[in-house]
Amino acid sequence: EAQVTQNPRYLITVTGKKLTVTCSQNMNHEYMSWYRQDPGLGLRQIYYSMNVEVTDKGDVPEGYKVSRKEKRNFPLILESPSPNQTSLYFCASSLFGGSNEKLFFGSGTQLSVL
Amino acid sequence: RKEVEQDPGPFNVPEGATVAFNCTYSNSASQSFFWYRQDCRKEPKLLMSVYSSGNEDGRFTAQLNRASQYISLLIRDSKLSDSATYLCVVPPPNSWGKFQFGAGTQVVVTP
Repeated sequence: EAQVTQNPRYLITVTGKKLTVTCSQNMNHEYMSWYRQDPGLGLRQIYYSMNVEVTDKGDVPEGYKVSRKEKRNFPLILESPSPNQTSLYFCASSLFGGSNEKLFFGSGTQLSVL
Repeated sequence: RKEVEQDPGPFNVPEGATVAFNCTYSNSASQSFFWYRQDCRKEPKLLMSVYSSGNEDGRFTAQLNRASQYISLLIRDSKLSDSATYLCVVPPPNSWGKFQFGAGTQVVVTP
């Protein structure tokens, strides 16, 4: 089954403790991206990747890192999480990130930073 | 001005009624558009694609007005299960990789 797999589904951590949220897709998509969703603000892009070893900042990249060493995986890293990073996170992918393409979303990660 | 704007609602709709809402976009070069449905704290799921003037799928109709730069979604014969937030998504008109999202329109269908 074609899908984007995101883990964990829920994560509670403390300020400053490094964490990684994993994202993997099995559709051979070139384009992958990370979003955070906060009430009233909608989905905001954190980082995106057009291909292996090609990443770029989205609208809210501060406090986050990503890597794209393999096509299928695009982990989101919070080196030193802070409470303002408490949010619902989604990973998504599409074939090339082009103009007629739909996005496939992972099931989301609810992160709470205490 | 935001790239993509939606009325946040909520639109309170009696079961069986029709509801319609819009999504306006600022980039006149945008070629395609998508409506996603999102249930509370779940991932957005594709509802409809809009590539030309419009699209229809059962009780759902999407229309595109390029002159005024908006797309609309109409839901006929609303069901309780239609209660959700509907997101407007606009892919990049070129291949720059930045999809634009509306903040979503909440629809609540009541018995």
